[in-house]
Amino acid sequence: TQLLEQSPQFLSIQEGENLTVYCNSSSVFSSLQWYRQEPGEGPVLLVTVVTGGEVKKLKRLTFQFGDARKDSSLHITAAQTGDTGLYLCAGAQGVYKYIFGTGTRLKVLA
Amino acid sequence: SAVISQKPSRDICQRGTSLTIQCQVDSQVTMMFWYRQQPGQSLTLIATANQGSEATYESGFVIDKFPISRPNLTFSTLTVSNMSPEDSSIYLCSVEFSGVDAFFGQGTRLTVV
Repeated sequence: TQLLEQSPQFLSIQEGENLTVYCNSSSVFSSLQWYRQEPGEGPVLLVTVVTGGEVKKLKRLTFQFGDARKDSSLHITAAQTGDTGLYLCAGAQGVYKYIFGTGTRLKVLA
Repeated sequence: SAVISQKPSRDICQRGTSLTIQCQVDSQVTMMFWYRQQPGQSLTLIATANQGSEATYESGFVIDKFPISRPNLTFSTLTVSNMSPEDSSIYLCSVEFSGVDAFFGQGTRLTVV
């Protein structure tokens, strides 16, 4: 079974701090997605990265796909309370099939 | 992107009963996916539903327990049969676009008592 390990599992920080979430696997993925899920809601797609080494920025969020397409990171600059949620990475395994990471639960304190 | 609606959003059910969850998409999609998210856990794929054919189940999930229907390109149902407390989870349907991006419904929170 292919696994996507996320670290840290839990993170509690003060508003304004920076943080990085990691998503690691021994498997190669054709693409990788990052989602944020809030309580009572389904995951919301933040970004998809496809090319090894690719970096995408979404306002204060920076996503990077590893050169070998086995790992990814999400960096948040100047975190806000609205960033609180469960962050999930998901690797595309073949066509139309995604393996989800173990999740990182982020809490940003005012 | 797509708008995906799930019903019910939550339910509390007696053990031994069955619950059917509906998933409606606002556009036609080839494949729909059903996931389970157990409390405090990540998402696990239950099955892939294609219109006009039987669903494809992942290891650990069987059709007798999780029958799926896919009568057309915008709708699917997942039934959780003969429920036990271990089935208490969030059940999510998902669709894929552009061969890459996956979008999710808001989920159905099921509690079995």
